[in-house]
Amino acid sequence: TAGITQAPTSQILAAGRSMTLRCTQDMRHNAMYWYRQDLGLGLRLIHYSNTAGTTGKGEVPDGYSVSRANTDDFPLTLASAVPSQTSVYFCASSRTSGGPNTGELFFGEGSRLTVL
Amino acid sequence: GQNIDQPTEMTATEGAIVQINCTYQTSGFNGLFWYQQHAGEAPTFLSYNVLDGLEEKGRFSSFLSRSKGYSYLLLKELQMKDSASYLCAVLDSNYQLIWGAGTKLIIKP
Repeated sequence: TAGITQAPTSQILAAGRSMTLRCTQDMRHNAMYWYRQDLGLGLRLIHYSNTAGTTGKGEVPDGYSVSRANTDDFPLTLASAVPSQTSVYFCASSRTSGGPNTGELFFGEGSRLTVL
Repeated sequence: GQNIDQPTEMTATEGAIVQINCTYQTSGFNGLFWYQQHAGEAPTFLSYNVLDGLEEKGRFSSFLSRSKGYSYLLLKELQMKDSASYLCAVLDSNYQLIWGAGTKLIIKP
């Protein structure tokens, strides 16, 4: 079982360009999340989706958008990248949302994005 | 505001025991989680505490005191492969995960 697959694993992007980070899970988990991880700051939630067809804003949503057309896929789009979006991005899932299982996350391997 | 504090870095010796502390102030509490993250890799789930007391899982144990807003992760018989960052996270009243910045654990031979 693959779990969560993210692509690309690494990308260098010119400022002002758009970029979509892909995330696919094969665990049939209801909830999915996008985090960014920066040195000294820990994981910060960008957007989340409690179930297919719904999305919500996390702690740092500005400059990012998501969609959840089906259970398996949860892409993250940067419409016009800026250097402050240089970070490692992790996609994650949990079986459910709104219960104890919410805290047991399964993470993808991460996408390292550099915006120049 | 919501806050989770844990030491930035700790050093321990192979074969020894180390305790990583985590204190939290959150809007409500629905459980505390510990994750392990090796450098350049994704975090992986280690433990979950929702009631006071000690949960033991092999060489790793996690303790919780809700009245003190305090948890620790205890690692015994340290191995070099335990060198990693350990992340503390609390599920608040809205079932949102609040993350600490992580503790980088360095194991020396």
